Amino acid sequence: QVQLQESGPGLVKPSQTLSLTCTVSGGSISSGSYSWSWIRQPAGKGLEWIGRIYTSGSTNYNPSLKSRVTISVETSKNQFSLKLSAVSAADTAVYYCARERPTRDGNNYLGGFDIWGQGTMVTVSS
Amino acid sequence: VIWMTQSPSLLSASTGDRVTISCRMSQGISSYLAWYQQKPGKAPELLIYAASTLQSGVPSRFSGNGSGTDFTLTISCLQSEDFATYYCQQYYSFPWTFGQGTKVEIK
Repeated sequence: QVQLQESGPGLVKPSQTLSLTCTVSGGSISSGSYSWSWIRQPAGKGLEWIGRIYTSGSTNYNPSLKSRVTISVETSKNQFSLKLSAVSAADTAVYYCARERPTRDGNNYLGGFDIWGQGTMVTVSS
Repeated sequence: VIWMTQSPSLLSASTGDRVTISCRMSQGISSYLAWYQQKPGKAPELLIYAASTLQSGVPSRFSGNGSGTDFTLTISCLQSEDFATYYCQQYYSFPWTFGQGTKVEIK
């Protein structure tokens, strides 16, 4: 059973770079046609998709964050990572990593984030 | 960007009730829609994908309907464990976006 686990500092100073890693266990990050996403949720608010990566290295980012976001993958470690630069208090949130299924599989419609990490709280404060 | 209007934002109901949550898109997305359930302090869980397909392990009292711009999530007979917040999510066009959420609370 594939599981995801986020790790990284829980406190980041304003203007610095937030760095998080998601470790995939119970299976290879390279198996299947999945993509691997980061999603965040400020306290008491809704979900915001940050971006995703395939193990090929191909990425898609949310335009609202694109200038500050880098997502990378390290298949040998079964991990993918998020870097968010020039953070401010507005970036304070719970950050989730998640596995996304391909939109189509032959004639079958799929899609959706089927596996999520437990989430990690990141606070931006001096 | 595809904007999503999810309603209601708060739904008060009793165990055994049938409840319906709506999600309306700013443009058509075919059937590229998912529904999630989130309980306090937990990650969301996938309930439905492709607008109407039940994720493995999800009880059959959950159902999804719709295509194009209008979608619904129905819980046919609300159970105590169903009191939670529900989100719709489109994966038709980048960036992927989520609805604002519907909190289902005990009346």
